[in-house]
Amino acid sequence: EIVLTQSPATLSLSPGERATLSCRASQSVGNYLAWYQQKPGQAPRLLIFDASNRATGIPARFSGSGSGTDFTLTISSLEPEDFAIYYCQQRTNWPPVTFGQGTRLEIK
Amino acid sequence: EVQLVESGGGLVQPGGSLRLSCAASGFTFRSYAMSWVRQAPGKGLEWVSSIRGSSDKTYYADSLQGRFTISRDNSKNTVYLQMTSLRAEDTAVYLCAKDWYDSSGHVVALFDSWGQGTLVTVSS
Repeated sequence: EIVLTQSPATLSLSPGERATLSCRASQSVGNYLAWYQQKPGQAPRLLIFDASNRATGIPARFSGSGSGTDFTLTISSLEPEDFAIYYCQQRTNWPPVTFGQGTRLEIK
Repeated sequence: EVQLVESGGGLVQPGGSLRLSCAASGFTFRSYAMSWVRQAPGKGLEWVSSIRGSSDKTYYADSLQGRFTISRDNSKNTVYLQMTSLRAEDTAVYLCAKDWYDSSGHVVALFDSWGQGTLVTVSS
């Protein structure tokens, strides 16, 4: 089973700042890495698929990069609605599909 | 607009059973694989099971140890999760997720729409 480790666990930033979230895989996942956003009481939302492709309707301030074992989700300039929990997920070697433990992005 | 509405959750005693349903609308249901993902209170996401559009292949997390069964009824646009021998550690919100489109109906394991979930609590 591929383990995804996200860092940091919590990131405290202010609106307008740049956010950089990391996801590291225990073995290569190629580029089969996705990012999801989840707000309290809401369902997850797909942001990025295959490492760097934005899903439909996702603002351009969200970008993904990386391949193999190291991936990054960047939010170029934080909007108030971006404060949420972010999960990475791999689908290169499944079952099982695995998710990272999440990074909580909170307002500083 | 894609809509996924889960139901069937509730309080059940350890060792009990429960069947969850997810009613789908807004897309050609039979053409998409579907999955269940769960989220224990205050915890992260855990994949549970997936099923191809044609129902001919199903996939499960090893941790379930054969206790759960996924199925679907394409005539009713509904996917199910039959859960048996429930344990306290199965307590979670169970989320239904629509898979990314694949022309052959394979499970892509990329979840582009999600329901709000149904809460399952296993407790005596």
